[in-house]
Amino acid sequence: SAVISQKPSRDICQRGTSLTIQCQVDSQVTMMFWYRQQPGQSLTLIATANQGSEATYESGFVIDKFPISRPNLTFSTLTVSNMSPEDSSIYLCSGSRAEQFFGPGTRLTVL
Amino acid sequence: GENVEQHPSTLSVQEGDSAVIKCTYSDSASNYFPWYKQELGKGPQLIIDIRSNVGEKKDQRIAVTLNKTAKHFSLHITETQPEDSAVYFCAASMGGGGADGLTFGKGTHLIIQP
Repeated sequence: SAVISQKPSRDICQRGTSLTIQCQVDSQVTMMFWYRQQPGQSLTLIATANQGSEATYESGFVIDKFPISRPNLTFSTLTVSNMSPEDSSIYLCSGSRAEQFFGPGTRLTVL
Repeated sequence: GENVEQHPSTLSVQEGDSAVIKCTYSDSASNYFPWYKQELGKGPQLIIDIRSNVGEKKDQRIAVTLNKTAKHFSLHITETQPEDSAVYFCAASMGGGGADGLTFGKGTHLIIQP
């Protein structure tokens, strides 16, 4: 398995601002993904973070709102742009080889 | 796209009894079915998975069964213990485990009564 860390672990932000979440894996993984989990709910895939190229977004998620970078095989960032209270959620990154492992999540509150 | 249904949403069992959580999926192209355990304030932890070329897999007190014809898979936990209390999620993907993102069920809150 892989150990995945995220920074920050939580944040409280004002509407209209942006937050960048970092995801670091302790060893190389084939794929990295970003998910959103609203409190008490299930996980929804936002996008696949592709190394060195544009991320692949799921229906309902767009690059302007959730820009993603993956400069190498162990690191990715997700930015939540122009935030509104509806963006309050837990954002999780995952990495995979044969199985998919998750980070601890970033709990975001937008006021 | 894929749709995963999970039941029940809440399951309360006596310590030492067995617990069964069931999921169905919609896309016959799905070939990888993991189960995750999520404790409060933590990320999901992979507990067991099964691929479409296998009908059953067991790891100590945990087992998963897959019925491809019915598009149905289940998690079985035997001899439940208080530390089994958590939210359990099933998921499905078409990428064999590593290549594609996961579609999750809505989760089951498992409560182990002492």
